[in-house]
Amino acid sequence: GAGVSQSPSNKVTEKGKDVELRCDPISGHTALYWYRQRLGQGLEFLIYFQGNSAPDKSGLPSDRFSAERTGESVSTLTIQRTQQEDSAVYLCASSGYTSGSNYEQYFGPGTRLTVT
Amino acid sequence: EDQVTQSPEALRLQEGESSSLNCSYTVSGLRGLFWYRQDPGKGPEFLFTLYSAGEEKEKERLKATLTKKESFLHITAPKPEDSATYLCAVQVAGGSARQLTFGSGTQLTVLP
Repeated sequence: GAGVSQSPSNKVTEKGKDVELRCDPISGHTALYWYRQRLGQGLEFLIYFQGNSAPDKSGLPSDRFSAERTGESVSTLTIQRTQQEDSAVYLCASSGYTSGSNYEQYFGPGTRLTVT
Repeated sequence: EDQVTQSPEALRLQEGESSSLNCSYTVSGLRGLFWYRQDPGKGPEFLFTLYSAGEEKEKERLKATLTKKESFLHITAPKPEDSATYLCAVQVAGGSARQLTFGSGTQLTVLP
């Protein structure tokens, strides 16, 4: 079946511009996650959705970062007024989470963001 | 603070030379420990989940084990196609937290 898809695969933007990154989770997966992977570093958690609500936004690095999810499906991560330190690969994952369960997360291919 | 440390950072093996990767963790309570494989330019690929000390899981040439403080990923008779970065992550028990906390990974190179 189809996995997690993300678009665009690459995005180059100028400092100060806004960008939107999209994630399509695996069909039927109720939980969706955004992570960031800077060059040579581990994955950092950004935000978690259960359905359309976000019980955990603790990883968002600043108020320039926001995310939403609609229809318990597609999610968009928006970065306003991009800075060079925002350059990274942004990864989306989804899982078939239900209460008390611990389903593994399946990742998309990522969006490589370069801020010039 | 929850921490995950992987060692070594990089490992080069000859084809057929078995070895182990280590993942040590410090968490307030463990819900699960996950192993992923990541190839260059791609997202992490799920390998295993371990839930409790003493648990073991196997897949082809890979075997993951778990103790109360660390996990090992044993690679038996590796092949060049096993070359990748192997990531370990933990999910902490309690509350609404569901995110994974990742280590920095072990970059494995298997030479033919």
